[in-house]
Amino acid sequence: DGGITQSPKYLFRKEGQNVTLSCEQNLNHDAMYWYRQDPGQGLRLIYYSQIVNDFQKGDIAEGYSVSREKKESFPLTVTSAQKNPTAFYLCASSFGPLRNQPQHFGDGTRLSIL
Amino acid sequence: GESVGLHLPTLSVQEGDNSIINCAYSNSASDYFIWYKQESGKGPQFIIDIRSNMDKRQGQRVTVLLNKTVKHLSLQIAATQPGDSAVYFCAENGGNTPLVFGKGTRLSVIA
Repeated sequence: DGGITQSPKYLFRKEGQNVTLSCEQNLNHDAMYWYRQDPGQGLRLIYYSQIVNDFQKGDIAEGYSVSREKKESFPLTVTSAQKNPTAFYLCASSFGPLRNQPQHFGDGTRLSIL
Repeated sequence: GESVGLHLPTLSVQEGDNSIINCAYSNSASDYFIWYKQESGKGPQFIIDIRSNMDKRQGQRVTVLLNKTVKHLSLQIAATQPGDSAVYFCAENGGNTPLVFGKGTRLSVIA
């Protein structure tokens, strides 16, 4: 079955540590996205990528970094500069272009601070 | 603030009744809208979408209505079932950006 796989499901970060969240899709989608969801809140866009080797900042990119070396993969690094990283992180993908395309989501990674 | 929002943060309905979840949007450039369902601990699941050249679109037990005059979107769920309990999000494609999501409405189905 095609889909989006996020790993790990739960992740713990120590103070001052960088952590990387994995997102892989086998849907042959061009575009991929990372969102952050806080309790009782909607989704806020962190970064997105329309094609390989290209990505753009979303609304809350500070303290995060991404790479898009392969079409199937769009890992997100939560750096130590992100002072409030505890949240539910969601990865999504869609056929390009950005407009008029539904995004398909993975089942998220829950990040907590130790 | 977000351009997409919801009139009611929570909605409780009796099993078997119809549910109506509302959404207001402010970006007149938006011409594509989506409804998602999110169950606890999972990612949002696509329900139905609609383009601005349509006023209504029906799926299995769901109907989306779009009123461009007042920038209003609604999701109707017929014969609501316990499995429909979840948070529902609307999203719009305002401008040349990825989808903008509202904060969501929690639907609780009373058996």
